[in-house]
Amino acid sequence: DQQVKQNSPSLSVQEGRISILNCDYTNSMFDYFLWYKKYPAEGPTFLISISSIKDKNEDGRFTVFLNKSAKHLSLHIVPSQPGDSAVYFCAASPLYSGGGADGLTFGKGTHLIIQP
Amino acid sequence: DTEVTQTPKHLVMGMTNKKSLKCEQHMGHRAMYWYKQKAKKPPELMFVYSYEKLSINESVPSRFSPECPNSSLLNLHLHALQPEDSALYLCASSPLRRDTIYFGEGSWLTVV
Repeated sequence: DQQVKQNSPSLSVQEGRISILNCDYTNSMFDYFLWYKKYPAEGPTFLISISSIKDKNEDGRFTVFLNKSAKHLSLHIVPSQPGDSAVYFCAASPLYSGGGADGLTFGKGTHLIIQP
Repeated sequence: DTEVTQTPKHLVMGMTNKKSLKCEQHMGHRAMYWYKQKAKKPPELMFVYSYEKLSINESVPSRFSPECPNSSLLNLHLHALQPEDSALYLCASSPLRRDTIYFGEGSWLTVV
């Protein structure tokens, strides 16, 4: 049973445009959400997180939106750059875990391809 | 720049070999982790160490044996592995167990 779903295995976006990566979750105990970025042959890199008390968190070109009633979050990258081409993992955890590894559940990832 | 360092980056071993993967962090983090990742799959948690003590073993076979000699080091000892154990092994750390985790670059393991 997949509790964190990233339904798009891949996404192709033109350089300079907005990239929107989506993530849905089913476990209502999840209260803390994270996005990781992964290049081939490297470990995942933490990008941005959001807790359920917020509906938006912004860090430079990256913004995460959380719609708790829909159990949906999205990562917006504006403007998209060639270096953004990578696999993006959505992850969720219950509040007690605070984003820690114990309760962290990863989605299967979305491969973002930025086209010049 | 990752501040979690893993060695070796690549390892090929036979099914009768004994080898170890090493992980080091100098950020003062007190929680360290081993994950396993197969191609096109999300990372899977294997072990959690908190204050150098094993807190969680996610039903990992005994052919994988973790060791935390001190707060900066985490090892994964490998013995009698199977070809299906070939994967990317990721070490991660966090300030405390309930904090955001940060990954190393991983060690690619191939079992022949």
